[in-house]
Amino acid sequence: SQTIHQWPATLVQPVGSPLSLECTVEGTSNPNLYWYRQAAGRGLQLLFYSVGIGQISSEVPQNLSASRPQDRQFILSSKKLLLSDSGFYLCAWSVGGGPYFGPGTRLTVT
Amino acid sequence: SQQGEEDPQALSIQEGENATMNCSYKTSINNLQWYRQNSGRGLVHLILIRSNEREKHSGRLRVTLDTSKKSSSLLITASRAADTASYFCASYIPGNTPLVFGKGTRLSVIA
Repeated sequence: SQTIHQWPATLVQPVGSPLSLECTVEGTSNPNLYWYRQAAGRGLQLLFYSVGIGQISSEVPQNLSASRPQDRQFILSSKKLLLSDSGFYLCAWSVGGGPYFGPGTRLTVT
Repeated sequence: SQQGEEDPQALSIQEGENATMNCSYKTSINNLQWYRQNSGRGLVHLILIRSNEREKHSGRLRVTLDTSKKSSSLLITASRAADTASYFCASYIPGNTPLVFGKGTRLSVIA
């Protein structure tokens, strides 16, 4: 069966520090991968999606970036975090159906 | 841009009652899906209904889709306290663009 992992589960970072969130999927090949962000009490905002290695589409221009170095690995990064980057970050995958979500990372920028 | 809009934004019911949540969308879709999110957790996929289907059941869940009205409803029968969560609808738009989510309905089931 397929599983999706995200880490870390929670993260507290100061403004201006870098960020790296990692997501890996097991049990499937060539999935579409997604990064969503959810601000407190709000809906989900699609940040990036990828249909293959090295193929990244950005939905929202901002100081975040994404990379897909391997088929089942998706990384969300920032060189310098802003206070507004605080939120709940969710990785998801899909192959045909879904997408199916990981457990999320709670990021607090202080 | 927001494709789906859930209604109501918040719903509070007694345990045992039925809960109905609605979702409206703007453009033609390939399918529509409903998800549940417990507080501070990831989203759990509940059910998918395709554009050529009108109704689908899964346990205590019933989903309807009216493509002429661009709307869907999620009915949870005989609700339980454990059903307390936020519920989101999301849709695939033709052209294989990624899933677009509404803002969700917060359901509270009071024991």
